[in-house]
Amino acid sequence: EVQLVESGGGLVQPGGSLRLSCAASGFTFSSYTMSWVRQAPGKGLEWVAYISSSSSAIYYADSVKGRITISRDNAKNSLYLQMNSLRAEDTAVYYCARARTTVTSPIEYWGQGTLVTVSA
Amino acid sequence: DIQMTQSPSSLSASVGDRVTITCRASQGINNYLAWFQQKPGKAPKTLIYAASSLQSGVPSKFSGSGSGTDFTLTISSLQPEDFATYYCQQYNSYPPTFGQGTYVEIK
Repeated sequence: EVQLVESGGGLVQPGGSLRLSCAASGFTFSSYTMSWVRQAPGKGLEWVAYISSSSSAIYYADSVKGRITISRDNAKNSLYLQMNSLRAEDTAVYYCARARTTVTSPIEYWGQGTLVTVSA
Repeated sequence: DIQMTQSPSSLSASVGDRVTITCRASQGINNYLAWFQQKPGKAPKTLIYAASSLQSGVPSKFSGSGSGTDFTLTISSLQPEDFATYYCQQYNSYPPTFGQGTYVEIK
């Protein structure tokens, strides 16, 4: 069974940093592309970042470019999101999501999400 | 960026009804279109990918169609567990973009 478990969310002040983690199990993590998708309270879904299976291709949404870094450790079956210079508008539930093996592949599985609140 | 527009934004339906939700892309996306279901307080769940392929484990009452710019999600016979918000997403080009969602509520 595919499982994606996010952690690392919490309350952070504007301008602060946070590192989210996603622990993957139930599949060969190193073979699949991964993304982070977020959802602000009461709002829709917003794609944040993508990383290919070997980390050779990485993409970011314009809204987070320069402030957020996606990475993965295939030996640890883990995905990360380093978030710096956080703003109030980054407040959201952040979901880890698994796609398939190519850059244009659909999201198949979602984690349960971790809440990030940016507030003074 | 490709804009995805869903209609309607919300709808009221009864158990047993056939429900159709439309998603329109601002430019052609081939068939790189997915549909997701999200219940309150829960993570999204993938229903359909490649416009019409059913994700593993998803019941066949859900179906998708379309190509190019116009797509539909149909629920053949609405059940209590289907009341949720539905999102479309294009993954033809980066950034992947979502529709604004369609809230399906009980009439």
